Amino acid sequence: DQQVKQNSPSLSVQEGRISILNCDYTNSMFDYFLWYKKYPAEGPTFLISISSIKDKNEDGRFTVFLNKSAKHLSLHIVPSQPGDSAVYFCAASEDNQGGKLIFGQGTELSVKP
Amino acid sequence: DAGVTQSPTHLIKTRGQHVTLRCSPISGHKSVSWYQQVLGQGPQFIFQYYEKEERGRGNFPDRFSARQFPNYSSELNVNALLLGDSALYLCASSSDRQGWHTGELFFGEGSRLTVL
Repeated sequence: DQQVKQNSPSLSVQEGRISILNCDYTNSMFDYFLWYKKYPAEGPTFLISISSIKDKNEDGRFTVFLNKSAKHLSLHIVPSQPGDSAVYFCAASEDNQGGKLIFGQGTELSVKP
Repeated sequence: DAGVTQSPTHLIKTRGQHVTLRCSPISGHKSVSWYQQVLGQGPQFIFQYYEKEERGRGNFPDRFSARQFPNYSSELNVNALLLGDSALYLCASSSDRQGWHTGELFFGEGSRLTVL
């Protein structure tokens, strides 16, 4: 039972363009949605999050959009930079269960100069 | 400030053996969570400990156990190792106010376990 799904295993984008990473979920009890970024040989690093009561959260070049009716969220990176090349994981948690994250399978982003 | 530290970074075991993985959280963080990441998949939740008590357990067999010590460090133990236990084991810590509520966790670099 995959509660959080990232259907694109990989994405390739040109430097300076927009990267859009997508994530779908099935559990309507999720209260928080997060994106983590992972470089090889490192642990995941928190990137940005959004509460279920919001539909958008922005932090610099990163914006996360949440569509609760469609149970879909996306991460937009504008402009994309070569240093953004990494595996991006979508994750979700229920309220006050923040230590128990449900992760998607990950999308490997490659930003080409 | 030191981040989350895990040891050992790599280890090789044979089927049926036992393994202990260790984690030191960020100073001041009282919550520790353990995740298993199999190649090509996202991390999967195993345990969460807070103030030395188990606060959550994922869908893993009883061969997996953990504990948290008074200094908030933690151990993950796996008995009777199977080939399928080969994975990256990640430890994450969080503060009470932020991570417990929202899931903003700080991960270590992981312990890579290979079972032969």
